[in-house]
Amino acid sequence: DAKTTQPPSMDCAEGRAANLPCNHSTISGNEYVYWYRQIHSQGPQYIIHGLKNNETNEMASLIITEDRKSSTLILPHATLRDTAVYYCIVSLGGGADGLTFGKGTHLIIQP
Amino acid sequence: GAGVSQSPSNKVTEKGKDVELRCDPISGHTALYWYRQRLGQGLEFLIYFQGNSAPDKSGLPSDRFSAERTGESVSTLTIQRTQQEDSAVYLCASSLGDLIMNTEAFFGQGTRLTVV
Repeated sequence: DAKTTQPPSMDCAEGRAANLPCNHSTISGNEYVYWYRQIHSQGPQYIIHGLKNNETNEMASLIITEDRKSSTLILPHATLRDTAVYYCIVSLGGGADGLTFGKGTHLIIQP
Repeated sequence: GAGVSQSPSNKVTEKGKDVELRCDPISGHTALYWYRQRLGQGLEFLIYFQGNSAPDKSGLPSDRFSAERTGESVSTLTIQRTQQEDSAVYLCASSLGDLIMNTEAFFGQGTRLTVV
């Protein structure tokens, strides 16, 4: 069973904020929420991760609900180069199943 | 180098031949993963190495697939008697550690394998 549920695709206008949702209703107390993205023909790239608190870095912000059953990745000012498949992963951060990729969300930034 | 390096970047082989794919992880990273990604599909976990522990081979699709890692350095993925269904991009990733650590993984650019 997949630990996360994401919409298969989303569009966003260039320059606008892209908000990518992820449901993880069975997350356990010590599991982190990770986001990676894969731009066409490249290896996946780490974006951000968090446990309970909201997180922000130079790439994105991660908003985790209080009950931790869902989260949203926010790209504040999307550019065409942000077009990619975005993967939400629930993990302890290590081990063989530390990186189990689902189908992700194909985010398309429109000019 | 600063990142995970994989070689070759592209490999075309004839059906039935053996191939070896190489991954150089980031120095100091004890954890190493191999994935397979078929065209238009998601990432399939193949094998995981952590330090000197026995590798987790639970994702290897058949006994034609094997992988080795020398200590905490280079890893090779070997596919024997290749089949056309083995055509895919093979991705390697490394990370700092295991256990309950909030570590991130770094991926290489992959090896695109085409079996003809």
